[in-house]
This record gives sequence, C-alpha cells and structure tokens, in this order.
Amino acid sequence: DQQVKQNSPSLSVQEGRISILNCDYTNSMFDYFLWYKKYPAEGPTFLISISSIKDKNEDGRFTVFLNKSAKHLSLHIVPSQPGDSAVYFCAARGGGTSYGKLTFGQGTILTVHP
Amino acid sequence: DSGVTQTPKHLITATGQRVTLRCSPRSGDLSVYWYQQSLDQGLQFLIQYYNGEERAKGNILERFSAQQFPDLHSELNLSSLELGDSALYFCASSPQDRGISTFGSGTRLTVV
Repeated sequence: DQQVKQNSPSLSVQEGRISILNCDYTNSMFDYFLWYKKYPAEGPTFLISISSIKDKNEDGRFTVFLNKSAKHLSLHIVPSQPGDSAVYFCAARGGGTSYGKLTFGQGTILTVHP
Repeated sequence: DSGVTQTPKHLITATGQRVTLRCSPRSGDLSVYWYQQSLDQGLQFLIQYYNGEERAKGNILERFSAQQFPDLHSELNLSSLELGDSALYFCASSPQDRGISTFGSGTRLTVV
C-alpha cells in the first residue's frame, strides 16, 4: 500500500528551464509535506516543505504547490541548474500519533543538462 | 556534514549473523528515526525514538530492534540476517517528536 507516489522515475531538463516534479498521496490524514534531495553516497537533504493549510510555499528557485482536493503536490525549480541533478523524494507526515514519521515516495531522478 | 553521524558507513556480513548500526543525532535533537532503503525502493520508516522512549513504529521486522540511550545516541540491531536485509539504513534526527528531519549519510549493509 503505497500512500505516497512519484509516478515519474526520471526527468530530464535543459539548464535554465523549469523542472516540475510531481507527487500524489492517498492518505487524507497527512498534514505536512516535504521534499528532500539526495546525491549519491549522501543522505537525503531537506529542500522545502508545505503545511496542509497552505497551497503554495516558495524559497528562492524552489516552489511547492499543494492541491488538497486532488491529493497532489508538485515541486517547481526555476531556473534549473546542472547542480540540481539529484534524486528528489516527496515525503508526507501524518497527523495524530504518527509523530515525526515520514512516508516517502519512490523518488524521481532529475537530470539537468548544460 | 548534516550533523547526524552514522557508523559504520559500510558493513558486509554473512547470513544468520547479527549487526549493530549506530547513530549520533544532531546536537540538541531529541528524536531519532531509522529508515531502510532497499534497491529501487523509497525510504521505509522503521522506528522512532524520542528522548529515550519509543514513539512510533513502522513495518520493522521482529528480527530488528532499536534503542535510544541517555546520551541520545541510537542503535539499530539486526539479527538472523537474510540476503533481503541488504539495504541502505538511514538515521535521521529532529529537535522534537516531529518537525524537519535531518538525515545522516547512511550505512550500507550487504548480506552475503
């Protein structure tokens, strides 16, 4: 039962263009969503997050959009840079007694070409 | 350096053996989480400790156990190892019992 899904295993984008990474979830109890970026041989690094009471959060080149009715979120990177090439994980945190537990998607490999 | 330290970085062991993975959280963080990432899989939550007490549990096998010590470091014990236990094991920490988790660089376990 995969509650968080990233349906695109990979995405290739030209430098300077927009990268859009998508994530779908099924559990309506999730109250907080996060994006992590992972380079090979390193642990995931926190990128940006959004609370379920908001529909947009922006931090520099990174913007996360949340559509609660569709149970969908997306990460926009503008402009994309070669250093953004990494695996991006979408994660969700449930409310109630799940505390800090994160449920992760499978990840999307982003490649930004110079 | 994220501030979360995991040792060892690599571990190769035989089936049936027992290993211990160690995690030191970021200074000041009270929560420690363990995740498993198998080949082509996302990160699967195993267990969370907060200030020495178990807080949340995922699909952790009975052969696996963990604890958090008074100095807040944590250990994940894996016993009766099987080939399928080969994976990356990540530790993360956060200041309270929820919040943004900071991850360590992981321990790569290979069972042969």
